[in-house]
Amino acid sequence: AQSVTQLGSHVSVSEGALVLLRCNYSSSVPPYLFWYVQYPNQGLQLLLKYTSAATLVKGINGFEAEFKKSETSFHLTKPSAHMSDAAEYFCGIIPNTGNQFYFGTGTSLTVIP
Amino acid sequence: DTGVSQDPRHKITKRGQNVTFRCDPISEHNRLYWYRQTLGQGPEFLTYFQNEAQLEKSRLLSDRFSAERPKGSFSTLEIQRTEQGDSAMYLCASSLGSATFEEQYFGPGTRLTVT
Repeated sequence: AQSVTQLGSHVSVSEGALVLLRCNYSSSVPPYLFWYVQYPNQGLQLLLKYTSAATLVKGINGFEAEFKKSETSFHLTKPSAHMSDAAEYFCGIIPNTGNQFYFGTGTSLTVIP
Repeated sequence: DTGVSQDPRHKITKRGQNVTFRCDPISEHNRLYWYRQTLGQGPEFLTYFQNEAQLEKSRLLSDRFSAERPKGSFSTLEIQRTEQGDSAMYLCASSLGSATFEEQYFGPGTRLTVT
């Protein structure tokens, strides 16, 4: 089954430090991949998506992710964390059948002042 | 445009009762999705509609669950004979265009507690 795995359910970084949230996928062919963010008491919001174009994808709020086929990864990064980045982040995948959407279990990001 | 709205935001019910949730998508969005999210987990896909047609249902959607989108606008999700395991956040999302699941806009969710 095609799915995504998020390593680390909780990540803490200092304000201004690099943010790295990990996502690995399992798929025999390159799937479509996504990162969503969920702020407290808000609905999920799309950060960025990979749909087989450029492997380095830039999203909102300074986030970006790189699709690496050799590593089956789609890690999310941001050079400098801001307090407002504290939220739950979900990696997602559309398998090549295209008929469902799967989320990872999520990573809670804490930003320490 | 106020985004995707869901009603109610919270629902407490007793085991065995039926409940119905409503989702109003962003106007003109042709696709509508339902997910379930339990504590500490990512959302799990339940079903989706293209206009009024229900095109896909997850195996998670047991016979006690039914979803409708009668006029291709709002949708309802009904759970019959609720069980404690149904306690979860039920999320609705919508999207526009020909690509399914891309750029989903999510509502705030309905939190169901079955006692």
